[in-house]
Amino acid sequence: DTAVSQTPKYLVTQMGNDKSIKCEQNLGHDTMYWYKQDSKKFLKIMFSYNNKELIINETVPNRFSPKSPDKAHLNLHINSLELGDSAVYFCASSQELRGDTQYFGPGTRLTVL
Amino acid sequence: AQKVTQAQTEISVVEKEDVTLDCVYETRDTTYYLFWYKQPPSGELVFLIRRNSFDEQNEISGRYSWNFQKSTSSFNITITASQVVDSAVYFCALSERGNAGNMLTFGGGTRLMVKP
Repeated sequence: DTAVSQTPKYLVTQMGNDKSIKCEQNLGHDTMYWYKQDSKKFLKIMFSYNNKELIINETVPNRFSPKSPDKAHLNLHINSLELGDSAVYFCASSQELRGDTQYFGPGTRLTVL
Repeated sequence: AQKVTQAQTEISVVEKEDVTLDCVYETRDTTYYLFWYKQPPSGELVFLIRRNSFDEQNEISGRYSWNFQKSTSSFNITITASQVVDSAVYFCALSERGNAGNMLTFGGGTRLMVKP
């Protein structure tokens, strides 16, 4: 059983489109995250979400919005996609909010043409 | 502000050699957490180890060993008798207790290539 899963694995789309990436965890964790990995492999936090509390990295454009229908899911919605949004997006989860280990999903490679 | 530096961008070794990957961190918090993750060519991020700032005891797990030194703000990993399957990008990461969102700050990664 996959602990943290993401769909789709690959996403190719045109500039200006709106797209969503889904994330589900079956670990019973309370906190979920989204990270972005750019072409140089640099990983950067985008959001942290715990018990309906959303903490946003201030550098994330407001075109990006996380949506959580329940504790096991945290989807990432992106409006008006730009070329610079091309990256690998990782979802993660942890049991506790402070200092606990984060377990990552397999990643979604987004390509904006 | 927290910062993680992995000065070695790429390391190449021959199988069975020992290799150490360096990680230096900066934080103003007295309580913090350090992590190592491995990203093989398949792309997933695999958790290797977690340490809190009060636990300086070094650890060995299989062919991996970790050296945590608060005095030098370093958290290095050594792979003994490296194997081709160890080829991956290794990331060091830091989370401060005062960070409300438990957000990880990652270093730039070290690409390890193990040649047969």
